[in-house]
Amino acid sequence: QLAESGGGLVQPGGSLRLSCAVSGITFNKYAMSWVRQAPGKGLEWVSGISGSGDNTYYADSVKGRFTISRDNSKNTLSLQMYSLRAEDTAIYYCAKCSDSGRLLQDPWGQGTLVTVSS
Amino acid sequence: SALTQPASVSGSPGQSITISCTGTSSDVGASNFVSWYQQHPGKAPKLIIYDVIVRPSGVSNRFSGSKSGNTASLAISGLQAEDEADYYCGSYTISSTIFGGGTKLTVL
Repeated sequence: QLAESGGGLVQPGGSLRLSCAVSGITFNKYAMSWVRQAPGKGLEWVSGISGSGDNTYYADSVKGRFTISRDNSKNTLSLQMYSLRAEDTAIYYCAKCSDSGRLLQDPWGQGTLVTVSS
Repeated sequence: SALTQPASVSGSPGQSITISCTGTSSDVGASNFVSWYQQHPGKAPKLIIYDVIVRPSGVSNRFSGSKSGNTASLAISGLQAEDEADYYCGSYTISSTIFGGGTKLTVL
């Protein structure tokens, strides 16, 4: 139901745009999140967006560098990443959140790997 | 900052174990919005408990959640080999999610 794409190798300071194609649900009913997991590390919530797209939320570690957005006409969630750093290297998961608006992630996509390295 | 979980726990098949998740009065202690995820190697996390005590459809009743004050707990009874995985707690609101550092469960 959720399929991420857009990951890859990027140099420090570079940009990358991740996408998540969603199917099988009424997309605009649900908040959505991006969560990342650095190699061998734990989960870190990155960003969330309301069902309408009117409200966006970010972790302090990415605020001002990442932008979350959604296209409800295309059932697509995006994460635009700028000024990438080595510490942004991780698997990035998109996740459907609850219809209450709370950022309870379920289910998750399979993830896309972002590697920031020169 | 991240919620605090033990780095590892272990148990033998058939035994019961508990994983703790300690936060503060601003997150875990502030509401009944605590979740638990199971993650097998190379796989995406799977939700096994939400709203402190609720099991999603299809999740074994061997998994149960509870909370007291600023600490939530995940209990697994009748341990099975397939339970060996990483477990993460989470505290969620409308504007953010805070995860625990994760606990590696080893089934001996």
